[in-house]
Order: sequence, then structure tokens, then C-alpha cells
Amino acid sequence: DTGVSQDPRHKITKRGQNVTFRCDPISEHNRLYWYRQTLGQGPEFLTYFQNEAQLEKSRLLSDRFSAERPKGSFSTLEIQRTEQGDSAMYLCASSYRTSERLHSYNEQFFGPGTRLTVL
Amino acid sequence: AQSVSQHNHHVILSEAASLELGCNYSYGGTVNLFWYVQYPGQHLQLLLKYFSGDPLVKGIKGFEAEFIKSKFSFNLRKPSVQWSDTAEYFCAVNAGVLVEYGNKLVFGAGTILRVKS
Repeated sequence: DTGVSQDPRHKITKRGQNVTFRCDPISEHNRLYWYRQTLGQGPEFLTYFQNEAQLEKSRLLSDRFSAERPKGSFSTLEIQRTEQGDSAMYLCASSYRTSERLHSYNEQFFGPGTRLTVL
Repeated sequence: AQSVSQHNHHVILSEAASLELGCNYSYGGTVNLFWYVQYPGQHLQLLLKYFSGDPLVKGIKGFEAEFIKSKFSFNLRKPSVQWSDTAEYFCAVNAGVLVEYGNKLVFGAGTILRVKS
């Protein structure tokens, strides 16, 4: 197991174009998270999945953003009609939750991120 | 809304100096607390975590952190830093362990540590 992987690592696009990023979590992990990190800030939560169900979306996730995890394995994050303000590092993380009981949470493992630059 | 404050954005130390990075969070309920580290050119890695029990938590590479509930703090410490500790350090909170919170992390803005050799 090589950890969380993300593709591509870098993406440069022109304003108005659509982009899609992929995240492959650690294989047995049932939770997958997307975060965004801008310069000088810590990661900010965007959305997360439990298996294939998208359970929460941040207000940061405008209508131009959509995320999927169709088979409960890899996930994609698509940004439509990109804007310069979308330039950031997009991070994916995964974890394994054993049950809904308290303290059954395990830490999140992060991927290397996809750096998006919108010109 | 939950928030996390890291007091210093940049810290410069000489090798063998002691380190303490401050972290305060705003949430009155049960929390899980984390310190993540990002070495130059690498991705975020977990340094240590607090879920429950002993408030003094030991992590990798000689780091430790103390959870002080009354002060809403989770400061990171290391008695003697090395040049290889040069990195950015992030404090993070998972506010609540109930299902509805989703275990999402709220991060501080990070502290860039530079250790001079």
C-alpha cells in the first residue's frame, strides 16, 4: 500500500476552462475528504464521502464544484468554468471509520495534492 | 463555527534550541486534536494526535503535545530541535466525534519553522 495518491500533481489552465482531479485513497479506507489550501493558510474542508455517499459539502464548494466517488473507491473533483480565485492546492485525505460509536475515528492520511493554477 | 489559532507564523531557531508552538481552538465540546507536519516538497504527515486519556501525547521524532482543556490549547513541544525539523506545522481539530460532524478537520494557518544549523 503506497498511501493516498492524486493525479495530476500540477494543472495549469485558462480561466473558464473545466478541470478534473482524481484521488485514490488507501484501499481499505471508507472515508474520503477533499480540502483546499491557499498560500499562507491551512487546509480548508470542502467535502467528504463515506463509501460512495457524499455526506457533507462546505459552503466553500460553489455550484461550479462537483465531487463524486462512484464505486466507493477513487474520487474525482471537477471545477467548471475555473476562475483565478480557484488557484490553490487541492488535497485529498482518507480514513477508516470502524463504526458509528464514539472514538471509532481514525486519523486522516493525506495525499500529495494537486496544485491548480488558473491563468 | 470551530476555529484554530496558531500564534506564530514564522519561527527561527538554532539547532538544539527548545521549541514550543502554540495552538488554541474554539469549541467547547469533545475534541480530537492533531499536529501535522509538512516537510519541504512533501505532503502532510501526522505528527501526533490526542483522542482521550493522558493529556500529554508523545509523537514521532521526539515531539510531544499537551492538551489543556481549560485553556483550549494543544501546544507542540520538542526539547531540542534539529535542522531536519525545518518544516511547516499545522494544528488541527476535529470538533466532535459524533456522526453528524463527519470528522472533518479544522486547521490552523500553520507555523513555518526554520532551524539554523
